[in-house]
Amino acid sequence: DADVTQTPRNRITKTGKRIMLECSQTKGHDRMYWYRQDPGLGLRLIYYSFDVKDINKGEISDGYSVSRQAQAKFSLSLESAIPNQTALYFCATSPGARAGELFFGEGSRLTVL
Amino acid sequence: SQKIEQNSEALNIQEGKTATLTCNYTNYSPAYLQWYRQDPGRGPVFLLLIRENEKEKRKERLKVTFDTTLKQSLFHITASQPADSATYLCALDPRDTGRRALTFGSGTRLQVQP
Repeated sequence: DADVTQTPRNRITKTGKRIMLECSQTKGHDRMYWYRQDPGLGLRLIYYSFDVKDINKGEISDGYSVSRQAQAKFSLSLESAIPNQTALYFCATSPGARAGELFFGEGSRLTVL
Repeated sequence: SQKIEQNSEALNIQEGKTATLTCNYTNYSPAYLQWYRQDPGRGPVFLLLIRENEKEKRKERLKVTFDTTLKQSLFHITASQPADSATYLCALDPRDTGRRALTFGSGTRLQVQP
């Protein structure tokens, strides 16, 4: 089983719908992240959390919200999806050390029609 | 403005040659820089980390250099193989922005021809 699991892996939805992407990890890491990847733009940070009570906005948080339900779970929500939120979304974790490497999930491909 | 730049054009090389990928940054003073490999449709995988006080880091066929004066990191793959074909991302710690998470470049696609 993967250490960082994202569900769903693929989702097609319509404009205005509420969508939740879920991430769970078995690595025991405190830090969790949500990134978005678009062609030519690389990975952009949406939200990150250093523990269940420490949630921070990234560079493109508008239109998104998150919930850290437990150390192992970090969910990303789109309250009212719009077409320009069509992208590949990645969850990642890292250990507590500042220079720790990131461990990524396999990604959730979201298409908003 | 702050930028991390990687060559958006794919790098095509012959098997056995050394591939050199570039990561340039402006208006950052990173404490460290990381390199990741990403295969199509997959999540990035960590390869190497180099700190600001290190000039060079090696791991098997991989070598990373970090020049904080030039604001540049070079990523080398020696004796390249077709299996090395992937997109390579650099990421740095934007400590001087107040943010506490890695910022990524857009990546360079490497294609190794047999």
